[in-house]
Amino acid sequence: GDSVTQMEGPVTLSEEAFLTINCTYTATGYPSLFWYVQYPGEGLQLLLKATKADDKGSNKGFEATYRKETTSFHLEKGSVQVSDSAVYFCALSDLGGSSNTGKLIFGQGTTLQVKP
Amino acid sequence: SAVISQKPSRDICQRGTSLTIQCQVDSQVTMMFWYRQQPGQSLTLIATANQGSEATYESGFVIDKFPISRPNLTFSTLTVSNMSPEDSSIYLCSKTERQGGTQYFGPGTRLLVL
Repeated sequence: GDSVTQMEGPVTLSEEAFLTINCTYTATGYPSLFWYVQYPGEGLQLLLKATKADDKGSNKGFEATYRKETTSFHLEKGSVQVSDSAVYFCALSDLGGSSNTGKLIFGQGTTLQVKP
Repeated sequence: SAVISQKPSRDICQRGTSLTIQCQVDSQVTMMFWYRQQPGQSLTLIATANQGSEATYESGFVIDKFPISRPNLTFSTLTVSNMSPEDSSIYLCSKTERQGGTQYFGPGTRLLVL
């Protein structure tokens, strides 16, 4: 079945450091890919998305490119801030895939802590 | 974006009791989803709530434990039945856009079972 694998956390960085969180997926068809963020004590927010190969999603300085050839959707940010400390989830939608229900399949989440 | 509300936002319950969580979305949708997030874990889909038909449950989740209602296109409830401490989790509802599949989540219901 479809699955998403994220790099293990936690990731601890100093402010203004470069961030990469790796995400790879296994899916049939052509899923849409997402990054969601969960700030401490808050709900899940959409950070960015890409719906087809080579699309780049971007928001708040974060970027991720849908790479079909490597089945990856790595999250990057050039200069992190303390306020970016959160848990980041990579996910895929099964729309256009084998079950086509619209449900999301999540990776295990990566905790990012940014120190001043 | 979307406006999705859940009630209650949190609760502390005794084992053996049941809790019903309500979810209201801001626009009519055919499918709503219920997820569970256990402490420190990722989100796991419990079931897909279809208006006008029985909910579809994922492997490991059963209707007797997590009955779902979907009386109209903007509302759903999830009941956590005969609770045990292992049910302590955040329960989230969501709706999806058919174009592109973006899901929008409610704020979650934080449940602690003693």
